[in-house]
Amino acid sequence: NAGVTQTPKFQVLKTGQSMTLQCAQDMNHNSMYWYRQDPGMGLRLIYYSASEGTTDKGEVPNGYNVSRLNKREFSLRLESAAPSQTSVYFCASSERVAGTETQYFGPGTRLLVL
Amino acid sequence: AQTVTQSQPEMSVQEAETVTLSCTYDTSESNYYLFWYKQPPSRQMILVIRQEAYKQQNATENRFSVNFQKAAKSFSLKISDSQLGDTAMYFCAFMKQGGSEKLVFGKGMKLTVNP
Repeated sequence: NAGVTQTPKFQVLKTGQSMTLQCAQDMNHNSMYWYRQDPGMGLRLIYYSASEGTTDKGEVPNGYNVSRLNKREFSLRLESAAPSQTSVYFCASSERVAGTETQYFGPGTRLLVL
Repeated sequence: AQTVTQSQPEMSVQEAETVTLSCTYDTSESNYYLFWYKQPPSRQMILVIRQEAYKQQNATENRFSVNFQKAAKSFSLKISDSQLGDTAMYFCAFMKQGGSEKLVFGKGMKLTVNP
């Protein structure tokens, strides 16, 4: 049981380039999330998916798109990367444990946009 | 909108001592959950403890316990018998019940356990 996995671990992009961050979970969770973490800012929600086939914007969605390909996979796409998107990106999935919805995180993807 | 505030950016403690990390939040919701996550240098986000707002009893997980004061909107984390492996960033987080299970995080605080 790998939990939540993310690829790649680290990526360098030039301004204007595009890329897709991949996330997969093997825990059969319905809900999945993408967050970004910037120094001194905590984690902020970019997009989330409550179930397969649905996606919704979070706090900071501008410049990103997402795809919930199936129940396991939730990808985040940067169409035209900007230096302001330099950050660490975390994917998470959630389940209800003892009446509480609890999120479990992947190891993160560190993205540097030059 | 909900906000979570961690007013202490950094703390240090000696190994085997007890330390308390503070967190306050603002919400108009009655039903919600509160969490503490730990982020060691590996950057992995690890759930430490969770508390349901409707429960009066404070949650406990081994050396970790919380002091949940609903009226004061306060949710502090106590770490007993601190260990070197407790050195990490700690994030307090809020989740509205019945929403879309979105977490709202505080900015975090850095805890260093010294030998």
